[in-house]
Amino acid sequence: KQEVTQIPAALSVPEGENLVLNCSFTDSAIYNLQWFRQDPGKGLTSLLLIQSSQREQTSGRLNASLDKSSGRSTLYIAASQPGDSATYLCAVRVGGGFKTIFGAGTRLFVKA
Amino acid sequence: GAGVSQSPSNKVTEKGKDVELRCDPISGHTALYWYRQSLGQGLEFLIYFQGNSAPDKSGLPSDRFSAERTGGSVSTLTIQRTQQEDSAVYLCASSLAPGGGEKLFFGSGTQLSVL
Repeated sequence: KQEVTQIPAALSVPEGENLVLNCSFTDSAIYNLQWFRQDPGKGLTSLLLIQSSQREQTSGRLNASLDKSSGRSTLYIAASQPGDSATYLCAVRVGGGFKTIFGAGTRLFVKA
Repeated sequence: GAGVSQSPSNKVTEKGKDVELRCDPISGHTALYWYRQSLGQGLEFLIYFQGNSAPDKSGLPSDRFSAERTGGSVSTLTIQRTQQEDSAVYLCASSLAPGGGEKLFFGSGTQLSVL
């Protein structure tokens, strides 16, 4: 059974700091991995999607990496801003099906 | 439409009543998913639709929960005889195709409160 774990559960950093959010999954047989952002009271916004054959994806100040063999992904946020404050969720699409399993998220607070 | 639309945004109901939650996916998206997010918890998969059929209903928590999709578009999640533990945010997502490569686009959710 696929399980997704995110560390840390919460993180508070000063503005301008570079930071790394971690995601681990127990079964390496995945189709893809997505990082999402969720703002309070809102739905989820997809930030980056990494196919199982890829190692990383970049969008602006965000970079996500995938190491399928070790069951790990990281989301790197450069030069953090108060507007980055949100919950970041990692999700894997399981192999052989269409179910996407989510981690519990990392709550990020960037202080001005 | 421009995005995934869910209605109502908030629903308060009494224990034992039935509720219907609606999801209108992005036009052209053939895959549709329902998730549940309880307070302080991660997202729990409920059901997946490809077109009008539901090949994966494995996440429905009990037989009080059912879902349908008509015309390959709008989906309705029905909860019968609601219980207090059903209180959660119900999120709908859609994607272009059932394969493994596409992004999920989420609606803003329905906050369900069962009193």
